[in-house]
Amino acid sequence: QQQVKQSPQSLIVQKGGIPIINCAYENTAFDYFPWYQQFPGKGPALLIAIRPDVSEKKEGRFTISFNKSAKQFSLHIMDSQPGDSATYFCAASKQGSWGKLQFGAGTQVVVTP
Amino acid sequence: EAGVAQSPRYKIIEKRQSVAFWCNPISGHATLYWYQQILGQGPKLLIQFQNNGVVDDSQLPKDRFSAERLKGVDSTLKIQPAKLEDSAVYLCASSSGQGGGYTFGSGTRLTVV
Repeated sequence: QQQVKQSPQSLIVQKGGIPIINCAYENTAFDYFPWYQQFPGKGPALLIAIRPDVSEKKEGRFTISFNKSAKQFSLHIMDSQPGDSATYFCAASKQGSWGKLQFGAGTQVVVTP
Repeated sequence: EAGVAQSPRYKIIEKRQSVAFWCNPISGHATLYWYQQILGQGPKLLIQFQNNGVVDDSQLPKDRFSAERLKGVDSTLKIQPAKLEDSAVYLCASSSGQGGGYTFGSGTRLTVV
């Protein structure tokens, strides 16, 4: 049973566009929601994370929007660049930033020049 | 700071053989994790250590997988005997537990033929 559902599976945007990746969860005990970026042959790297008491968080060109009542959160990549082409994973944990992470299935993002 | 070191990077074995992976976490990180990432999926936690004690091994196939963390630093993950469905990338990660999230290594890509 997948505890975190991620969509879309893949998306292609032009440089400067705003790819949006969505995730949904069921377990209200989750208290930490990170996004990871993974390049081929590399391990996932933490991009940005949010806790359920905040509705939005921005770090550079990356923004997380969080809707606690809908149990959904999303990642927006502003002014996307070809270097942002990677696989993005959402995740959730019940024990803060050091707890077991339940990952979504991943979204492959391609940013064309 | 140095990252999470893993070896080997690649391994090809025949089914029913045994294999071992090694991980050296970031210095001072008390929590160490092994995740399995099957192609096209998000990582799945196999085992979590806090120092040299096991916190969560609920998804570790204990009939064939074993892991240890000697002296609360390095860790090894072993598969014996391997099955075709064990083909995956095995990711090691560590965390200080201070709110900074995980740092993943680059992983070991295992192919069972």
